[in-house]
Amino acid sequence: AQSVAQPEDQVNVAEGNPLTVKCTYSVSGNPYLFWYVQYPNRGLQFLLKYITGDNLVKGSYGFEAEFNKSQTSFHLKKPSALVSDSALYFCLVRGGATNKLIFGTGTLLAVQP
Amino acid sequence: NAGVTQTPKFQVLKTGQSMTLQCAQDMNHEYMSWYRQDPGMGLRLIHYSVGAGITDQGEVPNGYNVSRSTTEDFPLRLLSAAPSQTSVYFCASSVTSGGSSYNEQFFGPGTRLTVL
Repeated sequence: AQSVAQPEDQVNVAEGNPLTVKCTYSVSGNPYLFWYVQYPNRGLQFLLKYITGDNLVKGSYGFEAEFNKSQTSFHLKKPSALVSDSALYFCLVRGGATNKLIFGTGTLLAVQP
Repeated sequence: NAGVTQTPKFQVLKTGQSMTLQCAQDMNHEYMSWYRQDPGMGLRLIHYSVGAGITDQGEVPNGYNVSRSTTEDFPLRLLSAAPSQTSVYFCASSVTSGGSSYNEQFFGPGTRLTVL
């Protein structure tokens, strides 16, 4: 069955340090992978997506994600975290026979000054 | 462009009451959808539409109705509100779905609904 997992409910990082938010997926065939961010009391905002091609995808606000087919992962990364990056991050996957869009449960990123 | 707009932002209902959550987009998107967000569960698809006059059920459609008479509008109706429908509701749109399913979705700001 098609699924996506975000194994960490919360990630804590100090401002200026690199950050990683993890995502793994399970889907047959080639997946389409997305990262969205949700700030408090706001809707989700698109950050980046992987469709095909280069495994390293660059997105908004300095974020990037690396597609790893052998590990079925699509981790979100940023070289230097900002306090303003604190938000809820969602990994999404679409693919397989049903082509449904599946949301991860979200990871709360807390960046301490 | 205003993007995706939702009204109201907040709503409190009593059990058994009905209401309509409004959603509109000005990007001429074919695909529109409704999600509910509950703690620890991510977003779950309620209903979706691939174009005017076409709607279909998502993962959790019970207790909700939708219609799509125009490209711009996609209202969600709660027929008889129940406490289990207390949630945050998001409307989203994208250029197309199906064959172009790599298109990102644009989300509205959400409606926070409480059913007493």
